[in-house]
Amino acid sequence: EDKVVQSPLSLVVHEGDTVTLNCSYEVTNFRSLLWYKQEKKAPTFLFMLTSSGIEKKSGRLSSILDKKELSSILNITATQTGDSAIYLCAVEPGTASKLTFGTGTRLQVTL
Amino acid sequence: NAGVTQTPKFQVLKTGQSMTLQCAQDMNHNSMYWYRQDPGMGLRLIYYSASEGTTDKGEVPNGYNVSRLNKREFSLRLESAAPSQTSVYFCASSEAGSPRGYTFGSGTRLTVV
Repeated sequence: EDKVVQSPLSLVVHEGDTVTLNCSYEVTNFRSLLWYKQEKKAPTFLFMLTSSGIEKKSGRLSSILDKKELSSILNITATQTGDSAIYLCAVEPGTASKLTFGTGTRLQVTL
Repeated sequence: NAGVTQTPKFQVLKTGQSMTLQCAQDMNHNSMYWYRQDPGMGLRLIYYSASEGTTDKGEVPNGYNVSRLNKREFSLRLESAAPSQTSVYFCASSEAGSPRGYTFGSGTRLTVV
């Protein structure tokens, strides 16, 4: 059974701080790892990482995949209050088009 | 471009009542999914449909049934609702090989009393 573990479960930081969110996984025949941001409603896509693309960056957000350690990190620099959300990590196996999600990390950015 | 549309957005049921959650996508995706989200549990897969005409159980299928009516629509039915089914339900769709993973609907908040 595929498994995704995220840490920490919850995090409170001050605006301007840098944060690192962690995701470790066990999956049959790994195809991809995805990061989503969830504010009040549906999760929205951030990054997809595959064997051929192990680092992605978009503005203040970046993510790295470590296939040897079966893990990924999501970095957010110069955090803003608008970064407050739940960040979800998910993995996709190569055998089926379904994602297994972690429990998420709840990030709160305070002034 | 509507993406994935779920109805209703909110629902309160009494224990034992039945209801169907509707989901439709207009992106011509082959695969569709139903997840539930509970506090501290993340998103858990209930059922999925890899293509029109096929459905498969996910991690937590008990108490639910699904119908892939056509390529666009994938419904989730609760035959006899229980308080343990109080949750937020998300429908999603995807296309194999898509670089952006799933597209999610806006969710249905269901309370069973």
